[in-house]
Amino acid sequence: GAVVSQHPSWVICKSGTSVKIECRSLDFQATTMFWYRQFPKQSLMLMATSNEGSKATYEQGVEKDKFLINHASLTLSTLTVTSAHPEDSSFYICSARDWGRVENTGELFFGEGSRLTVL
Amino acid sequence: KQEVTQIPAALSVPEGENLVLNCSFTDSAIYNLQWFRQDPGKGLTSLLLIQSSQREQTSGRLNASLDKSSGRSTLYIAASQPGDSATYLCAASGTYKYIFGTGTRLKVLA
Repeated sequence: GAVVSQHPSWVICKSGTSVKIECRSLDFQATTMFWYRQFPKQSLMLMATSNEGSKATYEQGVEKDKFLINHASLTLSTLTVTSAHPEDSSFYICSARDWGRVENTGELFFGEGSRLTVL
Repeated sequence: KQEVTQIPAALSVPEGENLVLNCSFTDSAIYNLQWFRQDPGKGLTSLLLIQSSQREQTSGRLNASLDKSSGRSTLYIAASQPGDSATYLCAASGTYKYIFGTGTRLKVLA
C-alpha cells in the first residue's frame, strides 16, 4: 500500500511551547490530508482537513488558532500545536487518500502517529 | 450526520476460533468502507477496503462484507491467532472524509 510517514513519533514539551508534527506521503501525491486526534482507548476524532495550497478545514469545536495546519506541497502537511497545555497531550495521527491508483478507490492510509506529552 | 458504531467493544477468544466483528453506520450513502487494525501506541494499518458497489473483500484469513441497505459491515476472522490481538476499527467514507467507529478490542488467547 501507499506510505504515509509521520515525524516525530513522540515528543515531550513544556507547557506554553509550540510543537510541530510533520506528515509526508512518500510515494504518492496528496492534495488532501487529514489530521486525527485519539485519546486513550477511544476512537479517532477528525480534527481538520488539510488542503494543499489553501486553508485547512476544521471540524466543529477544534480551535484553528491552537492547531495550525499548513499544506505547502503535495507531499507534506504540518500540524503545529501552539502554546501547548497538558490537556493537549494526545496521540495525533495523519492520513491521506491515494486517488492516483488505477482502481481509484480513495483508500485511506495512515502515518505511524505522534504521541505528544505536555508537561 | 454519519455515525459509526462497532459491536462488541471488546472480545476475548481462544486461539483458533472464528469470529465476527460488527460495524453499523447510519448514512447508507457511503463511498467506501474500510477496516483497520491498530496495535497499542501505533498508527493504523489498512486491512480491507470495500467500495460501495462491492459486497465483500477477502485477504487471507480476513473477509469483510458490506450491506449498504442495512447500514452494516462485518469483518470475519478465520482461525484466530494471538498475533491478531489488536483494536479493529471500521470507517465509513463519503467522497470527502472518513468517520470512524468506536473500535473493537480483540484479544486472542494462546
